[in-house]
Amino acid sequence: SQKIEQNSEALNIQEGKTATLTCNYTNYSPAYLQWYRQDPGRGPVFLLLIRENEKEKRKERLKVTFDTTLKQSLFHITASQPADSATYLCALPTSGGYQKVTFGTGTKLQVIP
Amino acid sequence: GAVVSQHPSWVICKSGTSVKIECRSLDFQATTMFWYRQFPKQSLMLMATSNEGSKATYEQGVEKDKFLINHASLTLSTLTVTSAHPEDSSFYICSANRETSGILYNEQFFGPGTRLTVL
Repeated sequence: SQKIEQNSEALNIQEGKTATLTCNYTNYSPAYLQWYRQDPGRGPVFLLLIRENEKEKRKERLKVTFDTTLKQSLFHITASQPADSATYLCALPTSGGYQKVTFGTGTKLQVIP
Repeated sequence: GAVVSQHPSWVICKSGTSVKIECRSLDFQATTMFWYRQFPKQSLMLMATSNEGSKATYEQGVEKDKFLINHASLTLSTLTVTSAHPEDSSFYICSANRETSGILYNEQFFGPGTRLTVL
């Protein structure tokens, strides 16, 4: 069955630095991959979607890469701010349902002022 | 646009009672909605897919008779936790895919979640 792994440990970085989060998957060839942000006690918020034929996608200070050979996506936040502190989840479409997705375990990011 | 609301935001109930959670897409229609459950410090686990006008599709291990789902309109899905027990205490979140002019977008829009505590 498909498996999605993210850095389980929290990531602490200094304000202004670039945060890089990793999402690895196995037993799967997804047509796209998504990244979401979740704040404590809230539902996730969609950030970016990258398709299998796209290597990189950007949105303001966010950048996502998608390496289908390595089966890995990297999520970058440049010029990080304390307000970026949250848990970031990657999600891949579940086989058998194009709109269904499976979420990774999430990585908690803490940006220190 | 693409706002999803949930009601209530939190609920405390006694063991054995039933609790209904509503999920509404406020500014778009959703033929499909999803219900997730999230335990502390864990990721979201898909419980079921709610389909407008038809029966919900449940994930393996989710009791359909315990978690009743009704998707009566294109903007409303409800999840009823029947005969709730303390182990059902969790954070329940719904989501929907936005569909506009026949185009179904892949990104999911999530509700704010409902914290259920069963005493």
